[in-house]
Amino acid sequence: DIQMTQSPSSLSASVGDRVTITCRASQSISNYLNWYQHRPGKAPKLLIYVASSLQSGVPSRFRGSGSGTDFTLTISSLQPEDFATYYCQQSYSSPRTFGQGTKVEIK
Amino acid sequence: QEQLQESGPGLVKPSETLSLTCTISGDSITSYYWTWIRQPPGKGLEWIGLIYFSGNAIYNPSLKSRVTISADTSKNQFSLKLNSLTAADTAVYYCARERIAAEGPVWYFDLWGRGTLVTVSS
Repeated sequence: DIQMTQSPSSLSASVGDRVTITCRASQSISNYLNWYQHRPGKAPKLLIYVASSLQSGVPSRFRGSGSGTDFTLTISSLQPEDFATYYCQQSYSSPRTFGQGTKVEIK
Repeated sequence: QEQLQESGPGLVKPSETLSLTCTISGDSITSYYWTWIRQPPGKGLEWIGLIYFSGNAIYNPSLKSRVTISADTSKNQFSLKLNSLTAADTAVYYCARERIAAEGPVWYFDLWGRGTLVTVSS
């Protein structure tokens, strides 16, 4: 299985901050990388697919980049509704695997 | 509005079989692929498997011997059965839709249910 490792596991930030989350794959996955946001009690939400494509309806402050083994999710200006846990996920091979998550908390 | 809703018992005894159903609203089960994913308390997301509307299913090798995913096109539902349960199967179980990107052969989960907590305990 392809292992996905996110860093950091958690971070504290303030509204308006720029936040960067990284995701590393245990082998090259080209651009077969997706990002999700998960708020407690809600359905997980797709933010970014194919490493850098913004899902319809997702604010442009979310940006994905990277290819191969190293990927980044950047939130340019953190908003109150962005405090959540973020997951990366590879769809290069089966079984699909996820990172362990990055929890973004209010400072 | 497209929506997925999981349903099933919240408490199941060890060694028994878990049965969950996902009801699809606003879309047809004959479109795309349909998936089960779970998250044990305090842990990450684990992909369980998927089913095509044709009935073909693919499972995570770590669970393959205990899992069956099936589809009922007449009810626009798909289901999960997981047998020989232990406490390690305690988790929030999600159903999700998997589709392929127009930009290339990358699959992603674009619609999720809110999840249902299943506790395995006597």
